[in-house]
Amino acid sequence: DILLTQSPATLSVSPGERVTLSCRASRSPISNLAWYQQKPGQAPRLLIFGASTRATGIPDRFSGSGSGTEYTLTISSLQSEDFAIYYCQQYHNWPPYTFGQGTKLDLK
Amino acid sequence: QLQLQESGPGLVKPSETLSLTCSVSGDSLSRGNYYWAWVRQPPGRALEWIGSFFSGGDASYYNPSLKSRLTISADKSKNQLSLRLTSVTAADTAVYYCARPLLQFTHYFDSWGHGTLVTVSS
Repeated sequence: DILLTQSPATLSVSPGERVTLSCRASRSPISNLAWYQQKPGQAPRLLIFGASTRATGIPDRFSGSGSGTEYTLTISSLQSEDFAIYYCQQYHNWPPYTFGQGTKLDLK
Repeated sequence: QLQLQESGPGLVKPSETLSLTCSVSGDSLSRGNYYWAWVRQPPGRALEWIGSFFSGGDASYYNPSLKSRLTISADKSKNQLSLRLTSVTAADTAVYYCARPLLQFTHYFDSWGHGTLVTVSS
């Protein structure tokens, strides 16, 4: 299985900040990578697929990049509604699909 | 608009069988080539893919860590996806979601049910 390691586990940030979240794969290549946002009590929401393509309706402050084993989700200017947990998912080598352990954004 | 609704018992005893249903509206399990999925999330923990049903060929795919205990199937007449997990333990306590990918033949999920909490306890 491909293991995904997200860092940091928790990030304390303020609205308006630029935020960068990391997802590292245990082996490469895994160009097939998605990012999700999850708020408490809610199902995950797809943000990015194919490492860099925004899903429908996702604001352009969210962007994905990366290649090989290193992938990044960037939020250019954090809004109050962006405080959540973010997960990466690989679907390059399956079964199984695997998810990272998540990065939680909380208020500084 | 696609809607997914999970249902099943909220409490299951250890060693028993967990059975869940995902009712689909706004789309048909008889149509298309989608990898309809079950994903679970233990309280306070990360997401875990359980398995998928491929509507294009009626094949099921399982997480190897659960494969020996797991059956995923579809009742197309009822437009329902089903999950059956045998010999459950406390480690199977989780919110269980059903999900459908954004596009046919893809594996990233843009449609999710609200999830149903299953607790394994005597």
